[in-house]
Amino acid sequence: EPEVTQTPSHQVTQMGQEVILRCVPISNHLYFYWYRQILGQKVEFLVSFYNNEISEKSEIFDDQFSVERPDGSNFTLKIRSTKLEDSAMYFCASSAGPGVNIQYFGAGTRLSVL
Amino acid sequence: AQSVAQPEDQVNVAEGNPLTVKCTYSVSGNPYLFWYVQYPNRGLQFLLKYITGDNLVKGSYGFEAEFNKSQTSFHLKKPSALVSDSALYFCAVRGLYNQGGKLIFGQGTELSVKP
Repeated sequence: EPEVTQTPSHQVTQMGQEVILRCVPISNHLYFYWYRQILGQKVEFLVSFYNNEISEKSEIFDDQFSVERPDGSNFTLKIRSTKLEDSAMYFCASSAGPGVNIQYFGAGTRLSVL
Repeated sequence: AQSVAQPEDQVNVAEGNPLTVKCTYSVSGNPYLFWYVQYPNRGLQFLLKYITGDNLVKGSYGFEAEFNKSQTSFHLKKPSALVSDSALYFCAVRGLYNQGGKLIFGQGTELSVKP
């Protein structure tokens, strides 16, 4: 069964550093998403991406965050200057279509900001 | 504002007994509802969804969910629990008018099935 792949599984960084979280969505999918889950809290939507543009973003997704599809297979989330409160599990997801199409999730990257 | 509530942090069930994991939602218009399951060190796996039609939705691994519009609920059920069903379960909703595909998740319910 095809799956969404995320690397690394765990990223440790110092506050103020830039991090890039990487995702390889399912190959024929066109819609891409990032979510995050702070320990003990809900899974929260960050951003959706289609046709090389952001479709929707949450209030969490401020100027420190950016997304990119640099080639035909990868989808990345960049945090320019990490804060302690960015420590969370970050999930990438993809879907074949919009709306009611199933979103398939990766195993996540645990980001620890020290 | 759209929201999802899972009122129980944990549900404990004996193997072979029926299980219910509760979910209520608040959304403008007709909701699209989903259940996902998360096993340790794995991503969220899709179980089932309700879009329209029959209020009883059947999904993977013998799970089903019942959509109740008057009670704004979408409880997950299984007639006979297995120890392997032990995991974290998330209910999610997407609003009809949400074009970006955003899913709003509940806080999750830890299901523990004992032999």
